[in-house]
Amino acid sequence: QVRLVESGGDVVQPGGSLRLSCAASGLSFNIYGMHWVRQAPGKGLEWLAFIRYDGSNKYYADSVKGRFTISRDNSNNKMDLQMNSLRVEDTAVYYCATDLGGYFDWGYFDSWGQGTLVTVSS
Amino acid sequence: EIVLTQSPATLSLSPGERATLSCRASQSVSSYLAWYQQKPGRAPRLLIYGASNRATGIPPRFSGSGSGTDFTLTISSLEPEDFALYYCQQRSNWPPVTFGGGTKVQIK
Repeated sequence: QVRLVESGGDVVQPGGSLRLSCAASGLSFNIYGMHWVRQAPGKGLEWLAFIRYDGSNKYYADSVKGRFTISRDNSNNKMDLQMNSLRVEDTAVYYCATDLGGYFDWGYFDSWGQGTLVTVSS
Repeated sequence: EIVLTQSPATLSLSPGERATLSCRASQSVSSYLAWYQQKPGRAPRLLIYGASNRATGIPPRFSGSGSGTDFTLTISSLEPEDFALYYCQQRSNWPPVTFGGGTKVQIK
């Protein structure tokens, strides 16, 4: 059974930094592309970033490009999201999710974590 | 960026009734469309991908159809656990991936 557990959410001031982690178990982590998706309070879903199964390709939404960095450690079944220059509008629940396509970048979100809350406020 | 518009915003139905949810894309996404269900305080769950393929473990009362710009999610007979929020999502020529604004299916 696939399990994804996000951690690292916190309250941070505007302009600050935070690093989120996603720990994976119950799957062959090194054959799955991984995504970060967020949801602001009471709002819809927003895709943020993707990293290919081997880390060779990374994609970002325009809203976070240049501020957020996605990375992964296949030896430890872990993925991170480094978030810099945080803004009030980055306040959201952040989810990690596996790509449905495995080795192939399908762009659909299969298994999801429970989410971690990031609050950006002064 | 491709914009997805979902309608209606809210659907009020009774258990056992048929639910029909619509998702319209601002340009063709071929069949690269998925549907997700989300319940309060929970992560979304993949229901349908590739416009009409049910994800693993999804009951057959959920079906998806459409291609190009117009898509439909149908729940043939609503069960109590189906009252939730539903999102469509496209991945045509991604990145980026985009989501619709959601349709809430509530009990009448």
